[in-house]
Amino acid sequence: SQTIHQWPATLVQPVGSPLSLECTVEGTSNPNLYWYRQAAGRGLQLLFYSVGIGQISSEVPQNLSASRPQDRQFILSSKKLLLSDSGFYLCAWSPPIRLEGEYFGPGTRLTVL
Amino acid sequence: EDQVTQSPEALRLQEGESSSLNCSYTVSGLRGLFWYRQDPGKGPEFLFTLYSAGEEKEKERLKATLTKKESFLHITAPKPEDSATYLCAVPMTTDSWGKFQFGAGTQVVVTP
Repeated sequence: SQTIHQWPATLVQPVGSPLSLECTVEGTSNPNLYWYRQAAGRGLQLLFYSVGIGQISSEVPQNLSASRPQDRQFILSSKKLLLSDSGFYLCAWSPPIRLEGEYFGPGTRLTVL
Repeated sequence: EDQVTQSPEALRLQEGESSSLNCSYTVSGLRGLFWYRQDPGKGPEFLFTLYSAGEEKEKERLKATLTKKESFLHITAPKPEDSATYLCAVPMTTDSWGKFQFGAGTQVVVTP
């Protein structure tokens, strides 16, 4: 069976500090990978998606970036965090060909102070 | 532009009081509609996929139905453990591989 891991679960960072959130998927090959942000009481905002190693598409211009160094690894980064980067970050995967729903990781709660 | 709208925003139910949530969409050539359950502080949990009008899916006290313009999630005789935010999503028609547009969700609270 497939599983998706995200870490850390919670993170408190000062403004201007760097960020690295990691997501890994097990039990599948060549998944589509996604990073979402969910602000308190709001819907899911798609940040980045990837259909393969090194292939990243950005949905929202911001100070965040994503990378996919391996087939089942997806990393969300920032060089300098802003207060507005606070939120709940979710990684998800979906099968590469057949159109099905997405499967989400447990999320990372990021607070920028 | 693809749009997904969920109503109501919040729903408070007594245990055993059945109700329905709505997800309306404006996409051409619907390629599926997905329902998720999200508990506070956790990632959404995939519930159902519906592909064509008239289709129905059931899981315990939940039943999802699909028409050409909207989907309903019926909660029959809910229990407190059904309390969660329910999200729906559709694939964006501008993409062939599966980028999804999510609704804002319906927060359901079931009281004993």
